[in-house]
Amino acid sequence: AQTVTQSQPEMSVQEAETVTLSCTYDTSESDYYLFWYKQPPSRQMILVIRQEAYKQQNATENRFSVNFQKAAKSFSLKISDSQLGDAAMYFCAYRSAGRGGSEKLVFGKGTKLTVNP
Amino acid sequence: KAGVTQTPRYLIKTRGQQVTLSCSPISGHRSVSWYQQTPGQGLQFLFEYFSETQRNKGNFPGRFSGRQFSNSRSEMNVSTLELGDSALYLCASSPGTSNSEQFFGPGTRLTVL
Repeated sequence: AQTVTQSQPEMSVQEAETVTLSCTYDTSESDYYLFWYKQPPSRQMILVIRQEAYKQQNATENRFSVNFQKAAKSFSLKISDSQLGDAAMYFCAYRSAGRGGSEKLVFGKGTKLTVNP
Repeated sequence: KAGVTQTPRYLIKTRGQQVTLSCSPISGHRSVSWYQQTPGQGLQFLFEYFSETQRNKGNFPGRFSGRQFSNSRSEMNVSTLELGDSALYLCASSPGTSNSEQFFGPGTRLTVL
């Protein structure tokens, strides 16, 4: 079974600074997707960024980028120019690419990010 | 386009009762997944439906069940509620095609007393 580990329960960053959230995963599969989700205090989970395992290039979405190290099974999220609105729980998630099209997500425990003004 | 809606948003039940939660996916989405979120266990996958068929199921007891209707709306039912069933129940919908993005609803907060 796949597992996702987020070793940082809490992180804090100053506004306008850069922060990196860590995520490691364990799988025997070669084809899969990785995601970072953000869950603000309002509780609506939203997708921040996604990475296909077959792509070597790291995904980027505006101020958010990932460092995907497939051999090391590592998938970290970098947030640049942090804003107060980035404060939230961040979840790393794994999804198999096969399995009959199932979209089951395996989540890490989450990292609570605080942004200080 | 309206997002994923879940009803009710909050629910209080007592042990032994049963409860039904509803999820209306985004229009045109055919896949609905359910997750349980608790402080101790985090986010855990319950089940997934695609075109009225259960496509995948997590490791939850048989007290947890679900179904999907022809309009893609989904319900999950928990029978004989236990204190440990208190959680935020999230549903997510997607078109169901390969590589499609899932969109989450706001959740239903269930409290079992």
